[in-house]
Amino acid sequence: DAGVTQSPTHLIKTRGQQVTLRCSPKSGHDTVSWYQQALGQGPQFIFQYYEEEERQRGNFPDRFSGHQFPNYSSELNVNALLLGDSALYLCASSLVGGWSYEQYFGPGTRLTVT
Amino acid sequence: DQQVKQNSPSLSVQEGRISILNCDYTNSMFDYFLWYKKYPAEGPTFLISISSIKDKNEDGRFTVFLNKSAKHLSLHIVPSQPGDSAVYFCAAIYPGNTPLVFGKGTRLSVIA
Repeated sequence: DAGVTQSPTHLIKTRGQQVTLRCSPKSGHDTVSWYQQALGQGPQFIFQYYEEEERQRGNFPDRFSGHQFPNYSSELNVNALLLGDSALYLCASSLVGGWSYEQYFGPGTRLTVT
Repeated sequence: DQQVKQNSPSLSVQEGRISILNCDYTNSMFDYFLWYKKYPAEGPTFLISISSIKDKNEDGRFTVFLNKSAKHLSLHIVPSQPGDSAVYFCAAIYPGNTPLVFGKGTRLSVIA
């Protein structure tokens, strides 16, 4: 049973550039959430996708956008990168209507903006 | 404003002893709480959870206690093992399967 996978593992970008991160959810899951974890902090919710639509959004600017595909995989796009966007980006999958609120996390993508 | 607080950045415990990790929350609307464990270079892994209608949930060596009146929960690990050394995150969720709200984490070191 494949868990949540994310790519790439690491990424180095320059200020002002754009980046796309990818996530495949755990088999059987239909909802993908993205979190940003800055150094020394807990993960912060960015947004959640279900049925190919953004269902909920955290307190992040419009530079952060996403997409969910028919196979439930998802992308996170960040435009006009800032130094402060350097963080670990985590993808989590879950099942709407499932009996558990548990979300399964991928290993994350470490983004460094220079 | 942090809604979920883990006030101890780190904790060191001898192998075989009890580890107690604490978490406080500010919003009484939270109705479900979860603990995640995170090793370096890995994503958080679900450990144990508790509904707001309960005050205790046990799973093997791990027990979570919830004190709603104090808005406080704790994770007990007995006995602690070196493999338990990791960062532990407390998370809370509002009704309706909303996003997880995390604390900043507590780094547990279990010394052999």
